[in-house]
Amino acid sequence: DTGVSQNPRHKITKRGQNVTFRCDPISEHNRLYWYRQTLGQGPEFLTYFQNEAQLEKSRLLSDRFSAERPKGSFSTLEIQRTEQGDSAMYLCASSHVSVGSYEQYFGPGTRLTVT
Amino acid sequence: AQTVTQSQPEMSVQEAETVTLSCTYDTSENNYYLFWYKQPPSRQMILVIRQEAYKQQNATENRFSVNFQKAAKSFSLKISDSQLGDTAMYFCALANFGNEKLTFGTGTRLTIIP
Repeated sequence: DTGVSQNPRHKITKRGQNVTFRCDPISEHNRLYWYRQTLGQGPEFLTYFQNEAQLEKSRLLSDRFSAERPKGSFSTLEIQRTEQGDSAMYLCASSHVSVGSYEQYFGPGTRLTVT
Repeated sequence: AQTVTQSQPEMSVQEAETVTLSCTYDTSENNYYLFWYKQPPSRQMILVIRQEAYKQQNATENRFSVNFQKAAKSFSLKISDSQLGDTAMYFCALANFGNEKLTFGTGTRLTIIP
């Protein structure tokens, strides 16, 4: 068990470019979450998957954002036509749905800077 | 909508002392979970302690304990015998039963002074 991994760890992009981030959850975890954390704030929920199904999307997730989890394993988060307001840390977390288990394991995050 | 409020942006304490971090929350649900997560500088977030709302007994994990006051919607974290490795951002978070998405507070930056 190597924990949740995210790539890249840092991304600098110019406004208007598209970016894609990857999250690899803990292997036996069937739930995967994306959060966004801006400076001085706590993480905010974006979306989550159970296996390959995307079960909920936050209103924060504009139509420029899309997330996938093909085959219920790794997930990607794509941001199209990036804006400076997209600059943030994007956190991925995973968990295993079981009775009484609500613990989410977080990855190290991808820090996005839009110039 | 549920909210989590942490009113202490920063705190500092001498090593080996005890410190208490405050958290209040609001939810319309009766069944929920409360968490304290720790985010060390440049490292990933890890769970410190968890409390199920239906349990009256306060959770403890070694040097970490909570004071859960359901009626007051208060959930404070006490760190005893603080250590340098406790220096981190601490986030209080809430998840309603049946929906695991976390709602976080804005965090408290805790510094342990040698």
